[in-house]
Amino acid sequence: EDQVTQSPEALRLQEGESSSLNCSYTVSGLRGLFWYRQDPGKGPEFLFTLYSAGEEKEKERLKATLTKKESFLHITAPKPEDSATYLCAGGSYNTDKLIFGTGTRLQVFP
Amino acid sequence: NAGVTQTPKFQVLKTGQSMTLQCAQDMNHEYMSWYRQDPGMGLRLIHYSVGAGITDQGEVPNGYNVSRSTTEDFPLRLLSAAPSQTSVYFCASSRLAGVIEQFFGPGTRLTVL
Repeated sequence: EDQVTQSPEALRLQEGESSSLNCSYTVSGLRGLFWYRQDPGKGPEFLFTLYSAGEEKEKERLKATLTKKESFLHITAPKPEDSATYLCAGGSYNTDKLIFGTGTRLQVFP
Repeated sequence: NAGVTQTPKFQVLKTGQSMTLQCAQDMNHEYMSWYRQDPGMGLRLIHYSVGAGITDQGEVPNGYNVSRSTTEDFPLRLLSAAPSQTSVYFCASSRLAGVIEQFFGPGTRLTVL
């Protein structure tokens, strides 16, 4: 069964303290790995798509990487405005649907 | 472009009542979908549509109906609301069907008493 697991569930960082969020996946025929940001009371906002192991994408303080079993979202020198829940999702060639993880809730304190 | 819009933002129903959650997009996207989001669970697909006149079931379709008469609109109908349908509902769209990035609406928070 296709599955996406995110860890940790919650992460508290001091402003400027870099860290990484993990997304482990078992998706048969992975077609893409997606990262979204979700603010409280809002819909998910698309961040990145990764298609193959070794691929990396960056946006401001965020960098997403992909291996054959997991993806990492690295946050460098975070700011309070980076506080949000980060979701990852795997898409399969077999089903053409996205399987979402439960998210990591990130809080960055000044 | 307004993107994906959803109405209402909040709704309270009594058990057994019916209602329709509205979703519209102005990006001329072919693919539209409905998800529900519950605490401790990932977004789960309810129904989806790959184009006007075509709909299909997702992971948790029971108790919900959809139709797609236009490219822009994809309403979700609750036939007889149950407390288990208390959730936050998100509509999403993408340019094409398949595994590509989807754009989400702001959500509807539904409570069934």
